[in-house]
Amino acid sequence: DTAVSQTPKYLVTQMGNDKSIKCEQNLGHDTMYWYKQDSKKFLKIMFSYNNKELIINETVPNRFSPKSPDKAHLNLHINSLELGDSAVYFCASSRGLGEQETQYFGPGTRLLVL
Amino acid sequence: AQTVTQSQPEMSVQEAETVTLSCTYDTSESDYYLFWYKQPPSRQMILVIRQEAYKQQNATENRFSVNFQKAAKSFSLKISDSQLGDAAMYFCAYSAYYGGSQGNLIFGKGTKLSVKP
Repeated sequence: DTAVSQTPKYLVTQMGNDKSIKCEQNLGHDTMYWYKQDSKKFLKIMFSYNNKELIINETVPNRFSPKSPDKAHLNLHINSLELGDSAVYFCASSRGLGEQETQYFGPGTRLLVL
Repeated sequence: AQTVTQSQPEMSVQEAETVTLSCTYDTSESDYYLFWYKQPPSRQMILVIRQEAYKQQNATENRFSVNFQKAAKSFSLKISDSQLGDAAMYFCAYSAYYGGSQGNLIFGKGTKLSVKP
């Protein structure tokens, strides 16, 4: 069974559109994350959620908004897409934050904005 | 701010040989965690090994081991008996133990490892 899954795996869209990427984990973890990997393979944290509360919000544009309907899901909504948003987006989860737990990553979603 | 530096953009190793990937980091904290993640062409991020800064003993996982030098802020990964399946991008990562950025993985820029048959 897939531990952390993301849909879709590939997303091609036009500039200005609004899109969402879904993430689900079946590990019973309390914390979930979104990372962005740019064209140079550089990975950077975007958000994390712990028990449905946003606890880290790096300096990302407010066009990006994470939404967590429940502990097992953390979806990423992106409004007014721009060319620079093209990247691979990874979802991850961990058991908690009290003692740094290993983060398990999803397969990534490759977003291409035309 | 914490930073992670991987000075080797690309490395190559012969199958069955040993290779060492370098990583240095900068932090003013005394407690933290360090990780090596592997990203094969499939894009999946796979944890290779982790090290708690308060532990003096170097972590090992089968053919993978680290050389953790806390004073030098160095965290290198050694891969022994390299296999074709080890070919991938390898990312060194840091995570704070306390504070607002707790749990936030800070990654280096990666080292692309090629394994020659």
